[in-house]
Amino acid sequence: GENVEQHPSTLSVQEGDSAVIKCTYSDSASNYFPWYKQELGKRPQLIIDIRSNVGEKKDQRIAVTLNKTAKHFSLHITETQPEDSAVYFCAARFYNNNDMRFGAGTRLTVKP
Amino acid sequence: DGGITQSPKYLFRKEGQNVTLSCEQNLNHDAMYWYRQDPGQGLRLIYYSQIVNDFQKGDIAEGYSVSREKKESFPLTVTSAQKNPTAFYLCASSTGLASETQYFGPGTRLLVL
Repeated sequence: GENVEQHPSTLSVQEGDSAVIKCTYSDSASNYFPWYKQELGKRPQLIIDIRSNVGEKKDQRIAVTLNKTAKHFSLHITETQPEDSAVYFCAARFYNNNDMRFGAGTRLTVKP
Repeated sequence: DGGITQSPKYLFRKEGQNVTLSCEQNLNHDAMYWYRQDPGQGLRLIYYSQIVNDFQKGDIAEGYSVSREKKESFPLTVTSAQKNPTAFYLCASSTGLASETQYFGPGTRLLVL
């Protein structure tokens, strides 16, 4: 069935460094890829998204890239800050049934 | 992120008991969803509803039931048939099933006594 794989499961970086989280998806017809940030005990919040007709999107320190041929997309956070520490989830919407599938999450820790 | 609420924040269930989690939204969204979140795992879809009086099973519907009598409300009942109910439950809504962005509620943590 359709699924989304996310790596790594945990990531620790020094403040100011960059962080990259990668996801792969199985359905080549997927057309929408959001990224959510979830702080401990709180709701997931949409931070950035990308559609299948775009290869890259940037919003300040956050960027997402999409490689449709390889069926993977990545979240890039530059100049990381301690408040970036959270669990990040990728997701992919599968075209045929509009089903949204989530990755297992990456726990990002930014050390001051 | 306002406009979608869940209650209670914490819920305790005794063995053999049914419990109901509330989800309300005032965003005028047609579609609503229930997800279960376990430690180290992503969100898994329990049920979703595209429109009032209609709902569909997700990947892990066994042991759960829902209703959609009003557009703004989508309660989830965890029945006694759900043998491992301890989890964080998240409700979400979107303008339509084909809509891209889902907005999440604050979640309910269910614990078993």
